[in-house]
Amino acid sequence: DAMVIQNPRYQVTQFGKPVTLSCSQTLNHNVMYWYQQKSSQAPKLLFHYYDKDFNNEADTPDNFQSRRPNTSFCFLDIRSPGLGDAAMYLCATSTIGGGYNEQFFGPGTRLTVL
Amino acid sequence: GQSLEQPSEVTAVEGAIVQINCTYQTSGFYGLSWYQQHDGGAPTFLSYNALDGLEETGRFSSFLSRSDSYGYLLLQELQMKDSASYFCAVTSGSNDMRFGAGTRLTVKP
Repeated sequence: DAMVIQNPRYQVTQFGKPVTLSCSQTLNHNVMYWYQQKSSQAPKLLFHYYDKDFNNEADTPDNFQSRRPNTSFCFLDIRSPGLGDAAMYLCATSTIGGGYNEQFFGPGTRLTVL
Repeated sequence: GQSLEQPSEVTAVEGAIVQINCTYQTSGFYGLSWYQQHDGGAPTFLSYNALDGLEETGRFSSFLSRSDSYGYLLLQELQMKDSASYFCAVTSGSNDMRFGAGTRLTVKP
């Protein structure tokens, strides 16, 4: 089945220790997104790739970076995680749309910062 | 700026009908989506409205009024498994979607 896969599902890191979360998709979608979701809050868009074009949200901290080496993979790098970065990180994909924008979400990676 | 408002919590009983409202303010509006998210799970797509009117998909329907910047999700014949958070989300510009804060629906027996 075509899907969005995130690894690992649970990640524990130490304060200030860089961490990378990964996302892969078999849907062949052009657009990939990273969201941060804290408990009982809405998913917050961090950035997205439209093909190779990177689009950063204005309020995404510099501590968060992303890479998309090819259509299938996208990575979220947190350079120096703080306690406030503990959250669920969701990857999503969508096709190029003329407005129709169903996003397909992966299961998420829950990040714990010690 | 951009804003979305939806109720934080709704409670209903099995078999009932519930309506979750969403009002929004945005520029360059494309459409309004609804997503369901169970505790610990990922959001899953329910519906998308780009034009005014009602879209029906099984027990779920979604409505949009562009002139009123308003939409709603209607859930009929509620089941216990419908207990979840429901997010409205606005698409404005290409591939740029913003979620509302979410409505937590509790379905009671």
